[in-house]
Amino acid sequence: AQSVTQLGSHVSVSEGALVLLRCNYSSSVPPYLFWYVQYPNQGLQLLLKYTSAATLVKGINGFEAEFKKSETSFHLTKPSAHMSDAAEYFCAVRRAAGNKLTFGGGTRVLVKP
Amino acid sequence: KAGVTQTPRYLIKTRGQQVTLSCSPISGHRSVSWYQQTPGQGLQFLFEYFSETQRNKGNFPGRFSGRQFSNSRSEMNVSTLELGDSALYLCASSRGTSGGSADTQYFGPGTRLTVL
Repeated sequence: AQSVTQLGSHVSVSEGALVLLRCNYSSSVPPYLFWYVQYPNQGLQLLLKYTSAATLVKGINGFEAEFKKSETSFHLTKPSAHMSDAAEYFCAVRRAAGNKLTFGGGTRVLVKP
Repeated sequence: KAGVTQTPRYLIKTRGQQVTLSCSPISGHRSVSWYQQTPGQGLQFLFEYFSETQRNKGNFPGRFSGRQFSNSRSEMNVSTLELGDSALYLCASSRGTSGGSADTQYFGPGTRLTVL
């Protein structure tokens, strides 16, 4: 069974500082990988996805993620945090067949002024 | 293009009752998946429907069921509600194609179910 681990359930960053959210997956073959963001009382919004076309993936709102097969990681970064980035972020994995997403536990980001 | 819509947004029920939640996917999407989100268990996959057939199922008891209509709209039903069923229920739609490129799931705002 696939699993996704997000290191750190809470992350606090200063406005303008680097945001780094860690995601590691377990899979015998590279799966499809996704990052979603959830704002309070809302559903999940897709930030970016890895589909094997390129290891560095750029998403919305200035976020990007790098797929590293050797490390089974797909960490999410943003060079400069904005107050509007305060939300919960979820890493998810999906096998090639089927449409089931397996999510990590989520990382809640707090942005300090 | 309209996004995924879910109704109702909020629901309060008592133990033992049953509940039906509705999801309308993005136009042209044939796959609808349901997820349960709780503080303790996080996001968990319930089931997926594609062309009116259940294609995938998560590890939930039989009290949780669903169906999909010919217009791709989906409903999920929970019978004999328990306190632990209190959660945010999220619906996601996608084109439903398998293999090849990733089939991206787009989520609705969710239905917040409270069981008293």
